[in-house]
Amino acid sequence: EVQLLESGGGLVLPGGSLRLSCAASGFTFNNFAISWVRQAPGKGLEWVSAITSAGRTYYADSVRGRFTISRDNPNNMLYLQMDSLRAEDTAVFYCAKEDHTGTTPFIDYWGQGTLVTVSS
Amino acid sequence: QSVLTQPPSVSGAPGQRVTISCTGSSSNIGSGHHVNWYQQLPGTAPRLLIYGNTNRPSGVPDRFSGSKSGTSVSLAITGLQAEDEADYYCQSYDNRLSTWVFGGGTKLTVL
Repeated sequence: EVQLLESGGGLVLPGGSLRLSCAASGFTFNNFAISWVRQAPGKGLEWVSAITSAGRTYYADSVRGRFTISRDNPNNMLYLQMDSLRAEDTAVFYCAKEDHTGTTPFIDYWGQGTLVTVSS
Repeated sequence: QSVLTQPPSVSGAPGQRVTISCTGSSSNIGSGHHVNWYQQLPGTAPRLLIYGNTNRPSGVPDRFSGSKSGTSVSLAITGLQAEDEADYYCQSYDNRLSTWVFGGGTKLTVL
């Protein structure tokens, strides 16, 4: 059974930093790209960042230069280092496993999410 | 303002059929990028409903179906059930932004 378990969320001051972790199990971790997707309170889904199985990284414009995604394949872990946090970064952050058929990528499993609150 | 446009809400009575549209542009759906649909029940994480415009993962009832026409795609739900009450999101890739994009979400209310 595929499981994605996020941790590391919490309350942080504007301008502060936080590191999210995602522990993966139930699949061959190093074969798949993984994304972070966030959802502000009462709002829709927003893709944040992704890292391929080869370690190539991608970021949304809203977080590029402030967030860093990384993975530890031997330990089946995904991370999101978040610096220079702003109030508008307040959201539930989901770890999401990607799969694809041919040229069609999609997210087939989601974690339960971890809440990040940026406030003074 | 989402890159993919969905109606904010739809509703239907139990047993009825509803459709949710997702309209994009030439930089995403119109350029051939496939669309995925996700269901988010209240207080839970999203769940994959449809991938590649029309494909259902195992475990998703055949009451859910996807279709595409030009720069628009649709999710249809037949035989509405109370448990279908949720938020639904479409997702695709955008060439101009070079990122995945989501629709703003549609809240389905079962009357």
